[in-house]
Amino acid sequence: NAGVMQNPRHLVRRRGQEARLRCSPMKGHSHVYWYRQLPEEGLKFMVYLQKENIIDESGMPKERFSAEFPKEGPSILRIQQVVRGDSAAYFCASSPIGTSGIEQYFGPGTRLTVT
Amino acid sequence: GQQVMQIPQYQHVQEGEDFTTYCNSSTTLSNIQWYKQRPGGHPVFLIQLVKSGEVKKQKRLTFQFGEAKKNSSLHITATQTTDVGTYFCAGRDYGQNFVFGPGTRLSVLP
Repeated sequence: NAGVMQNPRHLVRRRGQEARLRCSPMKGHSHVYWYRQLPEEGLKFMVYLQKENIIDESGMPKERFSAEFPKEGPSILRIQQVVRGDSAAYFCASSPIGTSGIEQYFGPGTRLTVT
Repeated sequence: GQQVMQIPQYQHVQEGEDFTTYCNSSTTLSNIQWYKQRPGGHPVFLIQLVKSGEVKKQKRLTFQFGEAKKNSSLHITATQTTDVGTYFCAGRDYGQNFVFGPGTRLSVLP
């Protein structure tokens, strides 16, 4: 059973460009979470999605950031007009049901560098 | 909103010494999880605690959930170099999501 997959693993963007980060959850998992981790810091929750639904986006910046989890295909975290402060590792995690006591399986992360 | 703190932020130990990290929440938790992240890696689930005063052991690791369900600890006995990494607690109040602490970075000197 393949684990959570994220691509690309490394992404370099110039200021003002768009970044698209993809996450394929583990087979059978319908819940996806996105986290951001700045260097030397902890994980900051961004958004929680189920298929075709955003359940909780309280951690998402109001502007430039969006997320989706379509019926078919991976979950996408989209960052428009990137700035240097967006440089971070972005992890997605999946679980078979909502986090009412279930562990989250993390992907390897996408390390975004904005130049 | 809910805040989760961890101390210490960094810990350097000699191989064979013990290590403890503490996690404190500003609100009562329904459950708490612990994760380990190796340098350059991704968080990996270690354990979940649910009951007040619960203690669980995994080989050299001992996890404890406080009686008031607002704090937790992870203790490693006789550290090894393979224990190197950052240990995160993630606390869930009675809402939807877990809030991660900032982590304790453990380095083990051989």
